[in-house]
Amino acid sequence: GESVGLHLPTLSVQEGDNSIINCAYSNSASDYFIWYKQESGKGPQFIIDIRSNMDKRQGQRVTVLLNKTVKHLSLQIAATQPGDSAVYFCAENIGDYNQGGKLIFGQGTELSVKP
Amino acid sequence: EPEVTQTPSHQVTQMGQEVILRCVPISNHLYFYWYRQILGQKVEFLVSFYNNEISEKSEIFDDQFSVERPDGSNFTLKIRSTKLEDSAMYFCASRGQGLEELFFGEGSRLTVL
Repeated sequence: GESVGLHLPTLSVQEGDNSIINCAYSNSASDYFIWYKQESGKGPQFIIDIRSNMDKRQGQRVTVLLNKTVKHLSLQIAATQPGDSAVYFCAENIGDYNQGGKLIFGQGTELSVKP
Repeated sequence: EPEVTQTPSHQVTQMGQEVILRCVPISNHLYFYWYRQILGQKVEFLVSFYNNEISEKSEIFDDQFSVERPDGSNFTLKIRSTKLEDSAMYFCASRGQGLEELFFGEGSRLTVL
């Protein structure tokens, strides 16, 4: 079946350290992946995306790595700040994105940054 | 910055009642979605809407659910006869053409008593 899951439900890091959040997906036909950040009481907020024809993409302080061989996605946050504390979800697109498609979300990892 | 807006922010209803959740997507967007999130759980896909019709729907989106885009700006989710298990946060989302970011609203919390 279709599923996206996260290895660690919680992650606690010291301010200034790098964070790595991992995600496994099961649908080898997925062509598009996104990381979202969700703060308490708010909607998911886009962080970074990656297409299946890439294995790495960098943004500001964030990097997404995609390993299609093992169906693994990771989000790296450099110099983690207290404002990064939130739940992080990976999501994979299933279906034709040009016709709408659908994003399937993983369970979420709660990142806690200690000052 | 343009944003997706949702109303109401919180609705409390009795089981069996009809509920309509409203969304105003970003104005030039073409794809529209509803997701829901039960407290403490992951975000679940309900339905996608493109070119004035449903393009994908999940098993959750049964015949008690419907969506409409009545006037070119609003996008609504109707639940005909609410059940206790419909209690959740409902998120509307929209995006533009191509592989573009999906923008989410702040959500409408539905509590069914």
